[in-house]
Amino acid sequence: GAGVSQSPSNKVTEKGKDVELRCDPISGHTALYWYRQSLGQGLEFLIYFQGNSAPDKSGLPSDRFSAERTGGSVSTLTIQRTQQEDSAVYLCASSPRTGAQFFGPGTRLTVL
Amino acid sequence: AQKITQTQPGMFVQEKEAVTLDCTYDTSDPSYGLFWYKQPSSGEMIFLIYQGSYDQQNATEGRYSLNFQKARKSANLVISASQLGDSAMYFCAMREGDSWGKFQFGAGTQVVVTP
Repeated sequence: GAGVSQSPSNKVTEKGKDVELRCDPISGHTALYWYRQSLGQGLEFLIYFQGNSAPDKSGLPSDRFSAERTGGSVSTLTIQRTQQEDSAVYLCASSPRTGAQFFGPGTRLTVL
Repeated sequence: AQKITQTQPGMFVQEKEAVTLDCTYDTSDPSYGLFWYKQPSSGEMIFLIYQGSYDQQNATEGRYSLNFQKARKSANLVISASQLGDSAMYFCAMREGDSWGKFQFGAGTQVVVTP
């Protein structure tokens, strides 16, 4: 498809387990962003990849969170030892060098 | 420091009326972009409209227009002829710099359109 895709759409896991969330950006978009959104809240910035530069990890809430971007395309957000407060919708977006970012449908994570 | 401020947490508007959503921003960079996104209850974030800091004219996209007042650092979204489907959360965002800038989002404004 032409848009940003994310998988899985929903993930239910048990506290303490690791999860991986995947993002496929729009082809040709060289910037990729991860955000977290709790119910009824705004967007919380997590991490940002821009071209070939080192990622901006300033929004990651703890060292349990990490992300990588392989080949300048697909990105994986990993949360280790999940906690109940990690429950949220995780949104991925991509953008060209300038202009708007476009969002994927999100992954709803529920930690039991 | 908060770079994007949306002071209206929520508002009601009657169908077919116009509504203005406030957004103020803070930057010292002469080059920046301003964006509005819509997030309906389904959760997807939909890009609505963009205004560049050097654009001379206010941006318009269909029923959406951006009232850009550079000196006041204001970028209000105007939705004309509101429809029931306009009920959603609206986010203002800014991207600083000529390129590769990180996006800063406001807290959002919840709009409810009533018949």
